[in-house]
Amino acid sequence: DGGITQSPKYLFRKEGQNVTLSCEQNLNHDAMYWYRQDPGQGLRLIYYSQIVNDFQKGDIAEGYSVSREKKESFPLTVTSAQKNPTAFYLCASSAGQASHEQYFGPGTRLTVT
Amino acid sequence: AQSVTQLDSQVPVFEEAPVELRCNYSSSVSVYLFWYVQYPNQGLQLLLKYLSGSTLVKGINGFEAEFNKSQTSFHLRKPSVHISDTAEYFCAVSSGGYNKLIFGAGTRLAVHP
Repeated sequence: DGGITQSPKYLFRKEGQNVTLSCEQNLNHDAMYWYRQDPGQGLRLIYYSQIVNDFQKGDIAEGYSVSREKKESFPLTVTSAQKNPTAFYLCASSAGQASHEQYFGPGTRLTVT
Repeated sequence: AQSVTQLDSQVPVFEEAPVELRCNYSSSVSVYLFWYVQYPNQGLQLLLKYLSGSTLVKGINGFEAEFNKSQTSFHLRKPSVHISDTAEYFCAVSSGGYNKLIFGAGTRLAVHP
């Protein structure tokens, strides 16, 4: 089945630790995105990548980092510099400039204590 | 800058009643509009989209939406809801290109028996 996978579903970390969230897609999509979701605030864009080895900051990139070494993979690292990392993280992909819709993964709920 | 306002944070409704979830957007350029649905602890699923053409758009699960350019609105409707429609609904706007999506804060639809 084609789609986007995110792992793990739930993640727990201690404050001060970096943590990496996985996102893999087998849709052959060029573009990939990371969003953060907090209650009552909708989704906010963290980073996006239009092509391999290239990515841009979104609206709330501080405290996060990404890489795009392969077309199908776009991992997100939540660093210790992120002041409030507890949230639901969603990865998405789209076919590229001619496509207007994004497909979403199931999400990872990160809890930092 | 683009923005999206979902006018109701919560909408309670009885089963088999009609429902309308309201969405207004602001943009100085042509837009593409989307409605997504999110079930608890899951990713987002596309309900419907407006790209061009007919202003009445039909989507999955019996939902439809009407694009009104003069009122900058894209309200979502369903003539008869089911318990299974209980979820959070997000309106989103994009100006195209590599389609950065701007999301509204979401509307929680609660269908009661």
